[in-house]
Formats: sequence, C-alpha cells, structure tokens
Amino acid sequence: KQEVTQIPAALSVPEGENLVLNCSFTDSAIYNLQWFRQDPGKGLTSLLLIQSSQREQTSGRLNASLDKSSGRSTLYIAASQPGDSATYLCAPPGYGQNFVFGPGTRLSVLP
Amino acid sequence: EPEVTQTPSHQVTQMGQEVILRCVPISNHLYFYWYRQILGQKVEFLVSFYNNEISEKSEIFDDQFSVERPDGSNFTLKIRSTKLEDSAMYFCASRRTGPAANEKLFFGSGTQLSVL
Repeated sequence: KQEVTQIPAALSVPEGENLVLNCSFTDSAIYNLQWFRQDPGKGLTSLLLIQSSQREQTSGRLNASLDKSSGRSTLYIAASQPGDSATYLCAPPGYGQNFVFGPGTRLSVLP
Repeated sequence: EPEVTQTPSHQVTQMGQEVILRCVPISNHLYFYWYRQILGQKVEFLVSFYNNEISEKSEIFDDQFSVERPDGSNFTLKIRSTKLEDSAMYFCASRRTGPAANEKLFFGSGTQLSVL
C-alpha cells in the first residue's frame, strides 16, 4: 500500500526566498508523480507531472525532481511570492488507477 | 483551458437523506474519479470509473455509495443514506488516458457536503 509523507508540514518564509518541499513514498513502482496546489477551501490545481523516466520537470519558477529508487520527490520554488501561499500536495499513484495524496506542506510567503 | 465542473458547490442535508453530487468531466476525458477530503485531513481516493464501470474503489466506498455516468457528459456520486461522518469536500477528477500514459489528472473545485 502506497504511503506518502511530506516534510515540512508547514513553512513560513519572507518573499524572494528559494524553497524546497520534500515528498517521500513507500512504493517506488510508479509511472509518474504529480504535484498539486490547494488554496484554502478550494480545489486542487495540477502544477507538474513528472514521469518515472524523467529526473526533473520544470514549469516557470517550479521545478520537480523524482528519485524513484529512493522513493523521493522534491518541489523547488524559486523566488517565492505571496501568491505562492497555499498547501502543496504530492501524489504518486497507488495500486491501480488512483493517486495517493500526502498530507501536504502549508506554505506562507510573507511580503 | 477546459475545466472539470462540479455542482452544487455546497450541499447541506439531514442525516439519513440521499444526496447526489454532480460532475461534468473534461469532454474528451475517459477516466473519472471521486476523492474526498474531511476537514484538516488528507485527500482520500473513493472510486475510479472507466468504460462505464467501476475500475477500482477504496474501503470508504461501501454500499452506501454509487457512481453513474447517466449520459455522455455527467458523472455522479450518490450517497444513499448520509451519515455525519460523510461531511467532507468531495472532488471529482478526470483524465484523458490511463495512469501509465503520463497525463495529468484534473480536479474540479469540489462540493462541500455538510450532514446535520
């Protein structure tokens, strides 16, 4: 059964800092892994999908890396902005068709 | 950009009542999902649906739950007799291809279900 953990649980930083959000998962037999953003009381916005054959995937100021063998993925956020404040969720697939979500990292970027 | 649409955004019901949550997946998507998130907890998988049948379901998805694709555009989740612990945000999601094809899963904005 896929288990997902995310560190840190919460992070508060001043604007402009570069950030690292960590995700660990137990079952490394995955095709891909997706990172999502969730704003309070809202739905989930897909940020990046990184394939198991890739080591990195970039979108704007976001960069995700994946190390299947060690069961880890990292989301880098460059030059953070107050608008980046949200909860970031890591989701590798579990057995079958579903994605399994981590508990998230709650990010606050202070102006 | 195409969106997954969910209605209603909020639903309040009395314990024991039936509720139907509605979703319109992205039009060319073939794989459909329901997830839920109890306040302060993780997003949890409920069920996946492909080719007009359930392909996978979690332990949460018991006999009180059912899904249906009544026409070419809607995808519904029915809870037959709601319980207090069914109170949660319910998310619909869709994807064009299966999990091995490396395409993103897209989520709707959710239906907040409150059972009183």
